[in-house]
Amino acid sequence: DSGVTQTPKHLITATGQRVTLRCSPRSGDLSVYWYQQSLDQGLQFLIQYYNGEERAKGNILERFSAQQFPDLHSELNLSSLELGDSALYFCASSVNPGQGGGYTFGSGTRLTVV
Amino acid sequence: DAKTTQPPSMDCAEGRAANLPCNHSTISGNEYVYWYRQIHSQGPQYIIHGLKNNETNEMASLIITEDRKSSTLILPHATLRDTAVYYCIVRAINTGTASKLTFGTGTRLQVTL
Repeated sequence: DSGVTQTPKHLITATGQRVTLRCSPRSGDLSVYWYQQSLDQGLQFLIQYYNGEERAKGNILERFSAQQFPDLHSELNLSSLELGDSALYFCASSVNPGQGGGYTFGSGTRLTVV
Repeated sequence: DAKTTQPPSMDCAEGRAANLPCNHSTISGNEYVYWYRQIHSQGPQYIIHGLKNNETNEMASLIITEDRKSSTLILPHATLRDTAVYYCIVRAINTGTASKLTFGTGTRLQVTL
């Protein structure tokens, strides 16, 4: 157990639908990161939050949005889902993103769009 | 962040040392070298990181060349459980609160009996 909790572990939904993925960071970590991993794209950085505010953005689609709440948990919202959104979605957390030290990743949510 | 180059795959016999190379010839002075691994669809796992000195922890050793243009991750006694994709990543620090890790394609290490 890495200390980063992601729910649900598996999610199957239909095209056009909307889903919410949840991440609880490791205790004491203020920063949360979201990554997408599909078979042909590798690990792609989506977005980073620090203490409730967006700090860095990657190639996140406009259909996707995220937020970090006052209790530091984060949610990734995926809407108007397409077959190509099927992927593993990982959340990671870290204490102080500007300094050294590694990120701690959760075990991921496997999203299947049918 | 600087780009890294790694061999796509490597084999290692169980019990032997696994030496995974990484080239980062355009690394800047404020960039650290990080190593992560991913075991078959699990979340990536942090292994080790360093700036310019060699580093060692309970998992591995990191050797960085004097000019910092390349590094080697050493797993001293590889086991079957070390079979994974290993990622070498260069990341700048002292960037305030904005940060990200950019993963490349990594090296797929296969440990065999």
